[in-house]
Amino acid sequence: DAGITQSPRHKVTETGTPVTLRCHQTENHRYMYWYRQDPGHGLRLIHYSYGVKDTDKGEVSDGYSVSRSKTEDFLLTLESATSSQTSVYFCAISAKRGDTGELFFGEGSRLTVL
Amino acid sequence: AQKVTQAQTEISVVEKEDVTLDCVYETRDTTYYLFWYKQPPSGELVFLIRRNSFDEQNEISGRYSWNFQKSTSSFNFTITASQVVDSAVYFCALSERGLAGTASKLTFGTGTRLQVTL
Repeated sequence: DAGITQSPRHKVTETGTPVTLRCHQTENHRYMYWYRQDPGHGLRLIHYSYGVKDTDKGEVSDGYSVSRSKTEDFLLTLESATSSQTSVYFCAISAKRGDTGELFFGEGSRLTVL
Repeated sequence: AQKVTQAQTEISVVEKEDVTLDCVYETRDTTYYLFWYKQPPSGELVFLIRRNSFDEQNEISGRYSWNFQKSTSSFNFTITASQVVDSAVYFCALSERGLAGTASKLTFGTGTRLQVTL
């Protein structure tokens, strides 16, 4: 199993509050990703990182920010959560060659915004 | 922009039946990669296969087989003699090859839910 840990695994919060999800890897992989999974949409890329302090936007980045201060941790922040951000969030890492490699996913974090 | 279409939202079969999950993709690149993932009821995403655009050989792994046809932009997945444990949501995904050293950004289809009953 790829060494990926997401926390928290479940969270319920209220609209307007900030939320941070953490992804921790023990594989020393360069590339890390945040996806969200919603019914009827599959998985959609929010942000990704190609190195420490190097991040870029995915297709659904509005309302989200990320940070990567060290190789093993990739944080996803919702500055002011909205009900449309209720979703299951998956972190993923790439194998050694990021431009060809399959992604390995964490167990997911279920976020409910009331 | 790249796109992956899984037209079958849900499929129900009886155990031991064969079932094929369809995947059609769109991309402008000549070099790309196709993937299948399985998401069982427990929720994790399990990598099944990666195929690059230059390798059109079909692949078989036990009861699983994959048929890649560039002419029809399809990468279909067949489960032979299905079992209850195959019940899951299956996702097809596409990654275009970027510059060397760039991230592998996968575009996923919406998934096909397979229900195998006794």
